[in-house]
Amino acid sequence: LAKTTQPISMDSYEGQEVNITCSHNNIATNDYITWYQQFPSQGPRFIIQGYKTKVTNEVASLFIPADRKSSTLSLPRVSLSDTAVYYCLHHNAGNMLTFGGGTRLMVKP
Amino acid sequence: DAGVIQSPRHEVTEMGQEVTLRCKPISGHNSLFWYRQTMMRGLELLIYFNNNVPIDDSGMPEDRFSAKMPNASFSTLKIQPSEPRDSAVYFCASSLYIGQGSQETQYFGPGTRLLVL
Repeated sequence: LAKTTQPISMDSYEGQEVNITCSHNNIATNDYITWYQQFPSQGPRFIIQGYKTKVTNEVASLFIPADRKSSTLSLPRVSLSDTAVYYCLHHNAGNMLTFGGGTRLMVKP
Repeated sequence: DAGVIQSPRHEVTEMGQEVTLRCKPISGHNSLFWYRQTMMRGLELLIYFNNNVPIDDSGMPEDRFSAKMPNASFSTLKIQPSEPRDSAVYFCASSLYIGQGSQETQYFGPGTRLLVL
């Protein structure tokens, strides 16, 4: 089963940049790295996905080194509304998603 | 697009009763997933369908759980008989599967919060 390791929790303050790193040592050649965000009482929501190097969208950036054994989700200038659980996954299309424990991000004023 | 629709949003029932959860995937998506989330076990995949056919049900806890997808726009997850340990939030998700090695994003519904007394 695809397995990732990420910090259980992180604290930050409004306006700061937050970087959450995830380890995925057993990533397969065809796997993509995907990050989801989950607010309380809601389903997980797709944030960003990438295969290698850097991907950026309107919400976040994803940095993936050449060996692809880790990835870093970067949230620029977080706000209180970014308080959520962030899940890192790697998977191949058509295969099961295996969610780990996620990183609980707390943004403080 | 309305996104993935689940009903009911909340369900309270007594032990031994049958519970049926419903899901309408995003139109055009060909894969559907049922997840269960609890504080103790986190988010677990129960079963997933591709083109209405169950592909992997290894996550289904036991025979009391069954899932069907009679057509591309509807799926049910049934628990019979229900037990207190089934209390959880059940999520349905859908995606468009193009092929191995391609990108795929799952879109989750709002979930059904089930409480079995």
